[in-house]
Amino acid sequence: GAVVSQHPSWVICKSGTSVKIECRSLDFQATTMFWYRQFPKQSLMLMATSNEGSKATYEQGVEKDKFLINHASLTLSTLTVTSAHPEDSSFYICSAPVPGRLVEQYFGPGTRLTVT
Amino acid sequence: AQSVTQPDIHITVSEGASLELRCNYSYGATPYLFWYVQSPGQGLQLLLKYFSGDTLVQGIKGFEAEFKRSQSSFNLRKPSVHWSDAAEYFCAVGAGTGANNLFFGTGTRLTVIP
Repeated sequence: GAVVSQHPSWVICKSGTSVKIECRSLDFQATTMFWYRQFPKQSLMLMATSNEGSKATYEQGVEKDKFLINHASLTLSTLTVTSAHPEDSSFYICSAPVPGRLVEQYFGPGTRLTVT
Repeated sequence: AQSVTQPDIHITVSEGASLELRCNYSYGATPYLFWYVQSPGQGLQLLLKYFSGDTLVQGIKGFEAEFKRSQSSFNLRKPSVHWSDAAEYFCAVGAGTGANNLFFGTGTRLTVIP
């Protein structure tokens, strides 16, 4: 069964509004989670590393004021796309390290965001 | 800089035929290499990984991959494809502290025909 969940799985919003995406680790704790973005026909690109109890670390070129990340508990990280625009439409995927396993990650099923 | 190339965007094979998906990487040190499969509505699932040791690694669902340092390749193979193998396959290289920073290829979509 799924060990990392995302909610919602699909969302449509109007340009200028904000959207929050949740990523939850099920039955295990994750002090770190990762957020990826996947464009159609393209690879996953790491956007940021979410750290429980501290600020997220953003990859170069990712606007931290636009993609707000909050990791308020050991099982939940949220990504808020603020003032969304059509170019933010994408597939957002989160992941969490597998406990006790070097390097491996559990991936969530992804959230499809469409901004109209 | 790290990069991963999957030269085949889409591959079609007949059920029961053999399969090889290509992956080439660029990384300055010994890489951590992965193959993931993504089915619609499902999260990425790890098929297999290479960290060190035996260069031929076995994974789940009958898949295997061979690390060839001289060719900077990590090709995925399966001797007999099943219809349920139809999905998107991603090769990735792990880098950075704990190799948690994964760099993915663009993926290869596998279609299986009866």
